[in-house]
Amino acid sequence: EAEVAQSPRYKITEKSQAVAFWCDPISGHATLYWYRQILGQGPELLVQFQDESVVDDSQLPKDRFSAERLKGVDSTLKIQPAELGDSAMYLCASSPSTYMNEQFFGPGTRLTVL
Amino acid sequence: GDSVTQMEGPVTLSEEAFLTINCTYTATGYPSLFWYVQYPGEGLQLLLKATKADDKGSNKGFEATYRKETTSFHLEKGSVQVSDSAVYFCALSPRPQGGSEKLVFGKGMKLTVNP
Repeated sequence: EAEVAQSPRYKITEKSQAVAFWCDPISGHATLYWYRQILGQGPELLVQFQDESVVDDSQLPKDRFSAERLKGVDSTLKIQPAELGDSAMYLCASSPSTYMNEQFFGPGTRLTVL
Repeated sequence: GDSVTQMEGPVTLSEEAFLTINCTYTATGYPSLFWYVQYPGEGLQLLLKATKADDKGSNKGFEATYRKETTSFHLEKGSVQVSDSAVYFCALSPRPQGGSEKLVFGKGMKLTVNP
């Protein structure tokens, strides 16, 4: 069964360092999402891609976060510099582009900033 | 803005007990509604969904009905099993605006089922 892949699964870093997360969506899925899930909360959308284009990045803290999906397949989310408040689970999801289709989630990357 | 409010728990039940997890929403227009489940160490999985008023979603013995008049989408299961232990999230997808189909999640509810 096809799955969304994410790496690393766990990342510990010190504040002010740079971190990067990688996501490989299910083959053929044109839409890719990055969500942030703070402990005890539901996931919140950071950025949505349709192919290689950003559709929604209104909640992405652009002073320190960046995301790219250069060839419209896999994607990288970067934080520079990391802050203590960035400690969270970062989830990647993908879906076919049709409205109301299911989003398929990866296992997530748990980030701890010390 | 769009939002979802759900029971937060944690909740502990005995096997074969009846489960209800309340979920209400605030949204403009007619959103699609979802229940996602997150088993320990795994990503979120879609449990069921409903796309219009009075639709009933069902899967693995779980059911939820889209109630527009009460803006609710409560999750129910008649007899829970130990394997149902997980975190349950209610979510909505607003009508697309500029192509966005994001999900808006509630805070999640952790369920533990004891044998």
